[in-house]
Parts: sequence; C-alpha cells; structure tokens
Amino acid sequence: GAVVSQHPSWVICKSGTSVKIECRSLDFQATTMFWYRQFPKQSLMLMATSNEGSKATYEQGVEKDKFLINHASLTLSTLTVTSAHPEDSSFYICSARGTGRSYEQYFGPGTRLTVT
Amino acid sequence: DAKTTQPTSMDCAEGRAANLPCNHSTISGNEYVYWYRQIHSQGPQYIIHGLKNNETNEMASLIITEDRKSSTLILPHATLRDTAVYYCFNLAAGNKLTFGGGTRVLVKP
Repeated sequence: GAVVSQHPSWVICKSGTSVKIECRSLDFQATTMFWYRQFPKQSLMLMATSNEGSKATYEQGVEKDKFLINHASLTLSTLTVTSAHPEDSSFYICSARGTGRSYEQYFGPGTRLTVT
Repeated sequence: DAKTTQPTSMDCAEGRAANLPCNHSTISGNEYVYWYRQIHSQGPQYIIHGLKNNETNEMASLIITEDRKSSTLILPHATLRDTAVYYCFNLAAGNKLTFGGGTRVLVKP
C-alpha cells in the first residue's frame, strides 16, 4: 500500500513558540492531503483539506491563522501550529489521497505535540 | 457526509474469527463501503473496501448485504495485534473521511 510519513513523530515545545509538522507521500503523488487532530480517548477530528498549489479549506471552528497549512508539492504538506498553547497539545495525523486513487486516504503515523 | 453506525465495543478471543458489524442505512449508489482501523497511538490503517460484492484480502473479508444497508468485517483469526478501534465508512470519489466513534475491539488471550 501507499506510504505516508510524518516528521517529527513527537515534539515538545514551549508555549508561544511555533511548530512545523511535515507530511510526505513516499511512493505516490498526493493531490489532496488532510490534517486531523486527535485528543486522548477521542476520535480523529478533521482540521483541513489541502490540494496541491491551492489554499487549504478549513473545517468549521479551526483557526486558519493558527494552523497554517502549505501543500507546495505533490509529495509534501506542512502544518505549522503558530503561537502554540498547552491546549494545542494533541496527536496530529495527516493523510494523503493520490491521483488515480480517488477514494482511499492513506495515513501517516502521527505526530504527538506537547506544549509546556 | 453519510453516517454509519457501529457497536461501541466488542471483545473477541485470540485465534477466533471476529465479526464486526456496520449499518450503512443512508448509503447511496455511488458510495463504497470502506473499513479502517486505528491501533493505539498510530495513524489509521486502510483494511478493505467494496461496492456490492464480498471482498477478501490478506487482512480481512468484507461481507456486504444485497441491499448494501449493512456490512460485516471479518478478521478470520484474530490476534492480540488486532486490538484496535475499527471504523466503517460510506465513501464516494473525492469525499473525505470523517470519523465517528468506531468499534473498540479488544482481542483477549
């Protein structure tokens, strides 16, 4: 199956700083990438959808100025959590859907963010 | 997105078949049935999908009723590593996955 990687797998940062998370499709071109967030004991919540070369579409209630998404190439999307606060601590997961794969989404392993 | 309903949790014995049900009461003609699972602290993993015929791969089998209103995911010989939350979806081309609660499956020795 298609492989999606994320970097870093975990990160600890101080309150007020920004953190960038990378999502890469390793063996296919991802025309669409998705970013999810998951709090402990909860299900995944979709944050935003991005298409290569276009601005991301954010779900209701997700602050676009706080969660900056860049999908500059067909294999890379980044999520930057700006001015992070402890309540942003969560498990962030990306997924990718490629050309010719109009249904399946393939997920990365996730990035655990802890803001102190 | 169309919704599905699943039991909240179920236990199964290691080595036995695990049958996971899903109701797709609002599924439309262009939507496929998809199953994913999420093992603790990992990203979700694609398992299997189908339109109206039963499907089998190396991970599982998928049984879809004739009216497509329900499906069953079958793990033929459950192992401890199959302990996870399992999600079913109705998915059409270009749609995105939105997660409900899924079924929390605990495989016991």
